[in-house]
Amino acid sequence: EPEVTQTPSHQVTQMGQEVILRCVPISNHLYFYWYRQILGQKVEFLVSFYNNEISEKSEIFDDQFSVERPDGSNFTLKIRSTKLEDSAMYFCASSQGLAGGRGWKFFGPGTRLTVL
Amino acid sequence: LAKTTQPISMDSYEGQEVNITCSHNNIATNDYITWYQQFPSQGPRFIIQGYKTKVTNEVASLFIPADRKSSTLSLPRVSLSDTAVYYCLVVGSGAGSYQLTFGKGTKLSVIP
Repeated sequence: EPEVTQTPSHQVTQMGQEVILRCVPISNHLYFYWYRQILGQKVEFLVSFYNNEISEKSEIFDDQFSVERPDGSNFTLKIRSTKLEDSAMYFCASSQGLAGGRGWKFFGPGTRLTVL
Repeated sequence: LAKTTQPISMDSYEGQEVNITCSHNNIATNDYITWYQQFPSQGPRFIIQGYKTKVTNEVASLFIPADRKSSTLSLPRVSLSDTAVYYCLVVGSGAGSYQLTFGKGTKLSVIP
């Protein structure tokens, strides 16, 4: 069964440093997403990406965040200057479409980001 | 998107059938009801999606009454490995449907 993969599984960084989280979505999917989950809290939407541009973003996704699809397979989330409160699990997801069966979102295993 | 309400937690013994009910009073005509499962430190996993009546797959069944204001996820004969958080989400197909809005979900604990 095809799956979304993410690297690294765990990233530790110092406050103020830049981090790049990487994802490989399912190959025939067209919509890509980043979510995060702070320990013990809800899964929160960050951003969606379609046709090489951001299609929707939440209030969390401020100027410190950016996303990119540098090639045909990778999808990245960059945090420019990490803060302590950015510590969370970050999940990448992808879907074929938006509605019905094509809208099913497949999540990756996550990257645990720890900011010290 | 319609707000959903589901129990915070449920306990069940192994081998029992578990039914988790979710209410979504303000569901819109084009909205689907979708359930995800999440194990600790893992990403949410799609379980089942439906629009009305009953949907069944190899993992679960989803019952949706005619008014669509609620839905029930049914897990047959649960095992210890079904211990997880289960999320009920209403998913639209129009504007704002790019994102999934997760609530706190229902934490299911399966007891030996």
